[in-house]
Amino acid sequence: LAKTTQPISMDSYEGQEVNITCSHNNIATNDYITWYQQFPSQGPRFIIQGYKTKVTNEVASLFIPADRKSSTLSLPRVSLSDTAVYYCLLLSPGDSNYQLIWGAGTKLIIKP
Amino acid sequence: DTAVSQTPKYLVTQMGNDKSIKCEQNLGHDTMYWYKQDSKKFLKIMFSYNNKELIINETVPNRFSPKSPDKAHLNLHINSLELGDSAVYFCASSPGLGQGKQYFGPGTRLTVT
Repeated sequence: LAKTTQPISMDSYEGQEVNITCSHNNIATNDYITWYQQFPSQGPRFIIQGYKTKVTNEVASLFIPADRKSSTLSLPRVSLSDTAVYYCLLLSPGDSNYQLIWGAGTKLIIKP
Repeated sequence: DTAVSQTPKYLVTQMGNDKSIKCEQNLGHDTMYWYKQDSKKFLKIMFSYNNKELIINETVPNRFSPKSPDKAHLNLHINSLELGDSAVYFCASSPGLGQGKQYFGPGTRLTVT
């Protein structure tokens, strides 16, 4: 059974680039990798999803090496408002083998 | 317009009681979910419904029963509440099964005393 592992917490400073890595050694062939952000007293919010190589959107980039055993969420030039918990999720589509495997979350604290 | 809404936002009750949490989504999605988030912020999926059909039923006690009257609603009923049921419960929806972008509700904080 696939499992995801993330650092429990990270600190950084405003204006820096932050990289959060998720390990998923037993990722299945059909699994997609998704990242969510959660602020206190709110539900998680989708950030980005990918299958392989690199995906970029307006808020983040997701780097996935060829073996797909890990993935790195990259937040460029963070601000104080990026302080949140970030979750890695493995998602395997399809009715017969549908799974959602969430990481334990990484608490990111951005300092001025 | 709120995409995924839950009621109530807070629920305080005593052990042994029965309670329900309601969830509605106005996104036209086919798939809805219930999650439990404990004090350590672990997100645990409890149920997943696709077109009103139960797809995932993780190992949760029989005291928890989801009800989906239509595609837009997925309610959670809990019988004989226990102290360990205290948590934040999130409802979510996605366009279809296996589509990663889930939209979460604001959560219901359940406290059992």
